[in-house]
Amino acid sequence: AQSVTQPDIHITVSEGASLELRCNYSYGATPYLFWYVQSPGQGLQLLLKYFSGDTLVQGIKGFEAEFKRSQSSFNLRKPSVHWSDAAEYFCAVAPSGAGSYQLTFGKGTKLSVIP
Amino acid sequence: KAGVTQTPRYLIKTRGQQVTLSCSPISGHRSVSWYQQTPGQGLQFLFEYFSETQRNKGNFPGRFSGRQFSNSRSEMNVSTLELGDSALYLCASSLGGQTAYEQYFGPGTRLTVT
Repeated sequence: AQSVTQPDIHITVSEGASLELRCNYSYGATPYLFWYVQSPGQGLQLLLKYFSGDTLVQGIKGFEAEFKRSQSSFNLRKPSVHWSDAAEYFCAVAPSGAGSYQLTFGKGTKLSVIP
Repeated sequence: KAGVTQTPRYLIKTRGQQVTLSCSPISGHRSVSWYQQTPGQGLQFLFEYFSETQRNKGNFPGRFSGRQFSNSRSEMNVSTLELGDSALYLCASSLGGQTAYEQYFGPGTRLTVT
């Protein structure tokens, strides 16, 4: 069974600093990979996705993620964090080509931003 | 284009009762998925419907059921509520095909079981 690990439960960064959120997955093949963001009291918003091809993926709100097959990782990055980025971030995987559209999520990383 | 809507937003029920939650997908989306979110277990997949057929089901007891209507709207039902069913229930819709992986989430229904 596939699984997703987000090692950092809570991260605090200063506004303007760079950000990297870690995500590791366990799956027999290369899955489809996603990052979602959830603001308090809200649903999840899709930031970016990776299906195949270029391993550096650009998303919305200035986020990017890099797929590294050798490390089974899909880390999320942003060069300069804004106070509005404070939220919880979830990495998710789906089995590629299996016809199963269920997402398996990590436990999430809560991001706090210091003004 | 309007997003995914879920009703009601908040519910308080008593143990042993049953509850029905509703989800209206984005216009044109034919796939609807349901997830349960709790502090302890995180986000867990419940089931996914496409064209009124359940395609995938997560590892939840039979008390959890769902259906999808011809207009793609979906409902989920939980019977014989337990305290552990208290959670945020999220609905997500997608177009279908490979884009079924691109799921757009509603704001959720917060269910509290007392």
